[in-house]
Amino acid sequence: GAGVSQTPSNKVTEKGKYVELRCDPISGHTALYWYRQSLGQGPEFLIYFQGTGAADDSGLPNDRFFAVRPEGSVSTLKIQRTERGDSAVYLCASSLLAGFYNEQFFGPGTRLTVL
Amino acid sequence: DQQVKQNSPSLSVQEGRISILNCDYTNSMFDYFLWYKKYPAEGPTFLISISSIKDKNEDGRFTVFLNKSAKHLSLHIVPSQPGDSAVYFCAASTAYSGAGSYQLTFGKGTKLSVIP
Repeated sequence: GAGVSQTPSNKVTEKGKYVELRCDPISGHTALYWYRQSLGQGPEFLIYFQGTGAADDSGLPNDRFFAVRPEGSVSTLKIQRTERGDSAVYLCASSLLAGFYNEQFFGPGTRLTVL
Repeated sequence: DQQVKQNSPSLSVQEGRISILNCDYTNSMFDYFLWYKKYPAEGPTFLISISSIKDKNEDGRFTVFLNKSAKHLSLHIVPSQPGDSAVYFCAASTAYSGAGSYQLTFGKGTKLSVIP
């Protein structure tokens, strides 16, 4: 009964570098979400996948951020030319389907620090 | 522009007493409201939810109240236990979010400390 897992748990990088953050959702969950939680804030929506397609990417802050889910399971969030303001905890959540009564289960997050 | 607001960053309560956590929202399109609990170094965990057609939902020691006209909800924990000490996030969702995503909009959280 594995939950949502995220790797790495911590990532330290230098300004300008490229990073990839991975999310393994609960098996069978078709909906996958990425959120970002900055210090002292609540999680903020980034992008939503239904299956393989990014159905809603309205929360991505700019074109340095990109995410994929090629086989409808594992997802990777990619950040190019990282900036210090990208430092945050990146949370992944999955649910069986998208909808009010489909609970979103969260992973423990990846803490990204950009020096 | 915060659509979900939790104005109390922290709350301390004696064990056995009632904890009341408050949340206000501004977006009248929100249809569904949730409370999540978060321990350090863990992801948020779903606690309880309420649909906009109800004004109260109860689950054991946890009760959520919704006042739609005031755009206000609250979480009551009775009796409070030391294991309840965590950060509590209020979140809201709407069926009218982009492409049927039902994305969650979160408040900043309230840190609850239950003192033994």
